Amino acid sequence: EDQVTQSPEALRLQEGESSSLNCSYTVSGLRGLFWYRQDPGKGPEFLFTLYSAGEEKEKERLKATLTKKESFLHITAPKPEDSATYLCAAATDSWGKLQFGAGTQVVVTP
Amino acid sequence: GAVVSQHPSWVICKSGTSVKIECRSLDFQATTMFWYRQFPKQSLMLMATSNEGSKATYEQGVEKDKFLINHASLTLSTLTVTSAHPEDSSFYICSAPGTTNQETQYFGPGTRLLVL
Repeated sequence: EDQVTQSPEALRLQEGESSSLNCSYTVSGLRGLFWYRQDPGKGPEFLFTLYSAGEEKEKERLKATLTKKESFLHITAPKPEDSATYLCAAATDSWGKLQFGAGTQVVVTP
Repeated sequence: GAVVSQHPSWVICKSGTSVKIECRSLDFQATTMFWYRQFPKQSLMLMATSNEGSKATYEQGVEKDKFLINHASLTLSTLTVTSAHPEDSSFYICSAPGTTNQETQYFGPGTRLLVL
């Protein structure tokens, strides 16, 4: 059975304190691994797509990496506006049918 | 990117009534859209694939007679929760593939449904 697991469930950081979020996946035929950001009461906002092991992508303070079994989202020197729930999702059968992890809730305090 | 809107943003209804939720792709066409459900503190779960001009396909365990999906145009998909019950209370979110990159799903802002 396909599974996407995120850890930790919650993360509290001081402003400027870098950290990493983990997404491990056990799926057959991974097409792509997605990272989204979700603010309370809102829909997910697209961040990155990773297609193959060894790939890395960056956007401002965020950097996503992919191995054959897991993906990491590194947050460098976070700011309070980086507070959100970060979701990873795997696409297997089709690009639109995403299997999501439960998310990591990140709180960055000033 | 691509902008997806939903209406209403929240709705409260009585048990036994039906509720319709709209999902629109703004300034682009989407032959396929997807409907997800998210319970509090849980992740998004795919409910169904909405196909323009044909029947929707539902994920295992999702009752097609309870969650009616209609994709009547290239910019609009609707989800109707029929005979809603309190356990249907959830956050319903739709997505559509982007125009320049069909591999990426762009999500609407979601609709919060509360059934009393």
